[in-house]
Amino acid sequence: AQSVTQLGSHVSVSEGALVLLRCNYSSSVPPYLFWYVQYPNQGLQLLLKYTTGATLVKGINGFEAEFKKSETSFHLTKPSAHMSDAAEYFCAVSYGQNFVFGPGTRLSVLP
Amino acid sequence: GAVVSQHPSRVICKSGTSVKIECRSLDFQATTMFWYRQFPKKSLMLMATSNEGSKATYEQGVEKDKFLINHASLTLSTLTVTSAHPEDSSFYICSAPTGNTEAFFGQGTRLTVV
Repeated sequence: AQSVTQLGSHVSVSEGALVLLRCNYSSSVPPYLFWYVQYPNQGLQLLLKYTTGATLVKGINGFEAEFKKSETSFHLTKPSAHMSDAAEYFCAVSYGQNFVFGPGTRLSVLP
Repeated sequence: GAVVSQHPSRVICKSGTSVKIECRSLDFQATTMFWYRQFPKKSLMLMATSNEGSKATYEQGVEKDKFLINHASLTLSTLTVTSAHPEDSSFYICSAPTGNTEAFFGQGTRLTVV
């Protein structure tokens, strides 16, 4: 069965600092990969996804992620954190229509 | 873009009553929808797969008689929590896939059973 791990349940960065949220998946066959953001008491919003093609994927709000097959990773980055980036972030994998989610990482942005 | 609407966003009910949550795909047809449950500070756990015109498929450990799923049309799936108890309090989210590489999520429903 597929599994997704996210290193660090809580990450704090200063406003303007680099954001790095880690995601690794366990599978010998590369899945489709996603990052979602969730604000309190809201649903999930897609940040970006990787299906095929270029391994560096750019998403909304200045986020990007790079698929590294050799490392089975799909880490999410943003060069400069903004206060509005504070939220819960979920990495997910899919081989079809169903998704398997990581445990999530709560991002705090300090002024 | 495709939108999935989930209603209600919040509901408080008494123990022993039933609560219905609706999930609608607004501008596309969804023969399949997924229902997830999210515990506090936890990730989303798939509860069941809702299939239009046939029975839902439940994940292991999910009581199908407690969590009734009906996929009445190509744009509507409902989750009914029957005889709700406080331990059923949670955040429930639905999703509808559009193809194999995209899924749209509802806004979620915060259920509180008192």
